[in-house]
Amino acid sequence: DAGVTQSPTHLIKTRGQQVTLRCSPISGHKSVSWYQQVLGQGPQFIFQYYEKEERGRGNFPDRFSARQFPNYSSELNVNALLLGDSALYLCASNWAQGSYEQYFGPGTRLTVT
Amino acid sequence: QQQVKQSPQSLIVQKGGISIINCAYENTAFDYFPWYQQFPGKGPALLIAIRPDVSEKKEGRFTISFNKSAKQFSLHIMDSQPGDSATYFCAASNPGAGSYQLTFGKGTKLSVIP
Repeated sequence: DAGVTQSPTHLIKTRGQQVTLRCSPISGHKSVSWYQQVLGQGPQFIFQYYEKEERGRGNFPDRFSARQFPNYSSELNVNALLLGDSALYLCASNWAQGSYEQYFGPGTRLTVT
Repeated sequence: QQQVKQSPQSLIVQKGGISIINCAYENTAFDYFPWYQQFPGKGPALLIAIRPDVSEKKEGRFTISFNKSAKQFSLHIMDSQPGDSATYFCAASNPGAGSYQLTFGKGTKLSVIP
């Protein structure tokens, strides 16, 4: 079975631009979470979605938004990119609100110049 | 405010030795404590996890020890191998209350030398 997939793998954007990152959860998983991992740090929680509804939001500015589609895939959008947004963006999926284990994808490496 | 403190930042262990990584948490509402292993350029991989109702959990060479009163938990890697060289993250969450937000430690870079 395929794990969590993310696209693109790498992305280079210019300050002020907008970016969309995509995630497909493990088949059968209905919940998706997004994390930002700055080099040398642990991942930081951005959003969690379950059944297309936002169920949790971390301490990130409104420039960050996300949505989940009927097939449970998800997109993370970041507007007005700043240099500090350069990071590895990770998507994690879990089966449902009642399951505890979260499985991460390989991430999208975003570089803002 | 860092809610999960992890130590040491880096660790060098001889092949066959025991690697020990420690974490301490502040939020007593946490009720799920996973450990993740991350190789360079990859996403974190779930290694082992524990709930507060048990004090120890073992899976192969990996053991979590949990001390609820001290609000501490640790990962022990027995018979450490060069292939275990990676960054390890402890984390905590409160899924019982509907929060799946994982709060991570800052990570420990483990190097196992032959």
